[in-house]
Amino acid sequence: GAGVSQSPSNKVTEKGKDVELRCDPISGHTALYWYRQSLGQGLEFLIYFQGNSAPDKSGLPSDRFSAERTGGSVSTLTIQRTQQEDSAVYLCASSFGGERGRPDSYEQYFGPGTRLTVT
Amino acid sequence: AQKITQTQPGMFVQEKEAVTLDCTYDTSDPSYGLFWYKQPSSGEMIFLIYQGSYDQQNATEGRYSLNFQKARKSANLVISASQLGDSAMYFCAMRDASGAGSYQLTFGKGTKLSVIP
Repeated sequence: GAGVSQSPSNKVTEKGKDVELRCDPISGHTALYWYRQSLGQGLEFLIYFQGNSAPDKSGLPSDRFSAERTGGSVSTLTIQRTQQEDSAVYLCASSFGGERGRPDSYEQYFGPGTRLTVT
Repeated sequence: AQKITQTQPGMFVQEKEAVTLDCTYDTSDPSYGLFWYKQPSSGEMIFLIYQGSYDQQNATEGRYSLNFQKARKSANLVISASQLGDSAMYFCAMRDASGAGSYQLTFGKGTKLSVIP
């Protein structure tokens, strides 16, 4: 079946502009994650959605970052007033489940990422 | 706080030989999951293998096996019979299942494996 898809694959934007990154998770997966991968910081968690629960935004680096998930499926990560330090690859992942206290595998399936370059 | 340490920034292995990629972790939670992912130059993260903290046996998936030593808090990945296609970055990751947080993965810095023909 189809995997996680992300668009665009590459985005070049000028400093100060807003950008939107899109993620289509695997059908049936209730959990969706955004991560950021940069040379200096490695892979960092940004935000997590699980079903209809309030998202876990604890990884968002600043209030310029926000994300939403419509209809429990597609998610959009928005970065306002982009800065050069926002340049990175933004990865989306999805999985089943996520119940507290259940250390099940529920491995996360990653999309190909969006490479964001802020000039 | 969780922490994943991969001490080998780069490794070389001869084709057809076995190689071990090190990973140590630090958590105070009794319930957690450990994962290994492969990231080839194309950039996509590929799930390889999972080990639960309560699993009695080491996980195995084809040529991949996880040497889980709970008391030492290590979860090393062993790749047997290396192939040229195994050349990639390898990330160890951990997920906390019993804390107040969500199920995000905490990643190590990665190890770049190069398979020599």
